[in-house]
Amino acid sequence: GDSVTQMEGPVTLSEEAFLTINCTYTATGYPSLFWYVQYPGEGLQLLLKATKADDKGSNKGFEATYRKETTSFHLEKGSVQVSDSAVYFCALRDTGFQKLVFGTGTRLLVSP
Amino acid sequence: DSGVTQTPKHLITATGQRVTLRCSPRSGDLSVYWYQQSLDQGLQFLIQYYNGEERAKGNILERFSAQQFPDLHSELNLSSLELGDSALYFCASSPIQGGRTEAFFGQGTRLTVV
Repeated sequence: GDSVTQMEGPVTLSEEAFLTINCTYTATGYPSLFWYVQYPGEGLQLLLKATKADDKGSNKGFEATYRKETTSFHLEKGSVQVSDSAVYFCALRDTGFQKLVFGTGTRLLVSP
Repeated sequence: DSGVTQTPKHLITATGQRVTLRCSPRSGDLSVYWYQQSLDQGLQFLIQYYNGEERAKGNILERFSAQQFPDLHSELNLSSLELGDSALYFCASSPIQGGRTEAFFGQGTRLTVV
């Protein structure tokens, strides 16, 4: 079945550092891809999305490009802040049952 | 605020008991999804309802059941609870059955089984 693989965490960075969190997927058809963020004690919030190949999703300085040839959707940010500390989940919406399939999540810790 | 409301926020109960978790989707959303988040299993899809009908089942135990009512709110029933059922349970909703739209998540219900 469809699956999402993302890099293990935690990722520890200093403020203003460059962030990359890798995400690759396996799916039949052409899924939509999402990044969700979970701040401590909160639910999941949509960070960005891309619905077709070569689409770039962006929000709050974060970006990710839907790469069909490499089945990837890596999350990047040029300069992280302490407030970006959270758990980031890559997900795809499959074309079968339409449920969201999540990766295991990557914890990001940003220090001042 | 996502517009998805889950109650209660926290629940502590004993093994063998039964609990009901409630979810009110965003206004107008017809699809409701339930997910379980535990430390060792990550985010696991449990079940999906669309306009009152079950549409997809994931890794949902037989001790668990769900339903979606005519007003579109949904309930997840967990029975014969075990220590391993302790987790964060999320509800999500989306406007239609699928498509390319995102799902909106509630704040979750933290269940602790003692």
